[in-house]
Amino acid sequence: GAVVSQHPSWVICKSGTSVKIECRSLDFQATTMFWYRQFPKQSLMLMATSNEGSKATYEQGVEKDKFLINHASLTLSTLTVTSAHPEDSSFYICSGPPRTRATDTQYFGPGTRLTVL
Amino acid sequence: SQKIEQNSEALNIQEGKTATLTCNYTNYSPAYLQWYRQDPGRGPVFLLLIRENEKEKRKERLKVTFDTTLKQSLFHITASQPADSATYLCALHSNTGKLIFGQGTTLQVKP
Repeated sequence: GAVVSQHPSWVICKSGTSVKIECRSLDFQATTMFWYRQFPKQSLMLMATSNEGSKATYEQGVEKDKFLINHASLTLSTLTVTSAHPEDSSFYICSGPPRTRATDTQYFGPGTRLTVL
Repeated sequence: SQKIEQNSEALNIQEGKTATLTCNYTNYSPAYLQWYRQDPGRGPVFLLLIRENEKEKRKERLKVTFDTTLKQSLFHITASQPADSATYLCALHSNTGKLIFGQGTTLQVKP
């Protein structure tokens, strides 16, 4: 099956610093990847759609200058949380649909737990 | 706007029984609906996809139904086991092609 990895799996940082999260598709190519955020006991909320070779599209209410997304290759998308604050503490999950598959099933990474002190 | 609701936040059942989870949606007619399993601290894992022209779909002990008139999907786990304990999420594609998730139902199967 399709495998997505994320690095790091967890990170603790000080308020005001930036944190980069990597999302890799290990056995498929993805022209599109999605970034979600999940707060405790809540569902996944789509933050942005990462497009290979072009700018990401952000959901309403998500600050594009705060959550920088880069999708430089068909197997790697990165999310950088800039000037992180405690309210940014959350579980960040990426996903990608394999570009060669007809179904819209998405394959999710294991998630990155971000804690901002 | 499209809404998707899973009407039970938590469900506790005894091992061996059938667990039934409900997913309702409004203001949309999705072409298909998906179910995912999420374990604590992990990303969701795809389980089943059912299309609007399919009334029912099965995979081992899992069964999903899709009633487009009621705008509802039911997710069944037969002969449930403690290892089935997890949060189950339903999701549909919005008219912009993005996945919208329900809030999830946390299933606890007691031995």
